[in-house]
Amino acid sequence: DAKTTQPTSMDCAEGRAANLPCNHSTISGNEYVYWYRQIHSQGPQYIIHGLKNNETNEMASLIITEDRKSSTLILPHATLRDTAVYYCIVRVEFRVGNTDKLIFGTGTRLQVFP
Amino acid sequence: GAVVSQHPSRVICKSGTSVKIECRSLDFQATTMFWYRQFPKKSLMLMATSNEGSKATYEQGVEKDKFLINHASLTLSTLTVTSAHPEDSSFYICSALGLAVFTDTQYFGPGTRLTVL
Repeated sequence: DAKTTQPTSMDCAEGRAANLPCNHSTISGNEYVYWYRQIHSQGPQYIIHGLKNNETNEMASLIITEDRKSSTLILPHATLRDTAVYYCIVRVEFRVGNTDKLIFGTGTRLQVFP
Repeated sequence: GAVVSQHPSRVICKSGTSVKIECRSLDFQATTMFWYRQFPKKSLMLMATSNEGSKATYEQGVEKDKFLINHASLTLSTLTVTSAHPEDSSFYICSALGLAVFTDTQYFGPGTRLTVL
């Protein structure tokens, strides 16, 4: 079973920041928070991941609370192409020899509107 | 990022026939590949994990004799749906874990839509 809880759906106006929350209250000390998204009829796309520090890349920012029980994915300037299902997943970090599975929950369906 | 391809992107077949789906890592060597299935408006469900040169590990409830997985090289894994039936119609997605570089995440293919008539 997925170890995260996300809202079923969210709306965001184009050009505004999209803040997607995720609860992972049972996260273990060696588990990372990973975010993927899936645009309709495509394979999932990796966005970002982090352990406890906030992370930023060209796609998004990840804010993890100090107790690590929740996190927020931020798309700073949402566009129509960001409309997708966003999945928050916790697991140990990928390394050679570690084949732990990625378990997908139901995710958040983000609709960006003009 | 690393690129994973799948072929074909969509396939339509008659009930009772077998269908092979290929998953390739194009710019890295994949020690492990995963196969997922996704029904409309549902999340991805892991079917099996395959390591290069060894037998695949199937998730509970997935018939290994029906979904044959071969991972013969570090860049290619195949999923064969044998004696396909309409209930096997789904979106099949593979993903790959890299060797040496690109080990920070799992990269997904674009998916294959299978329709069984």
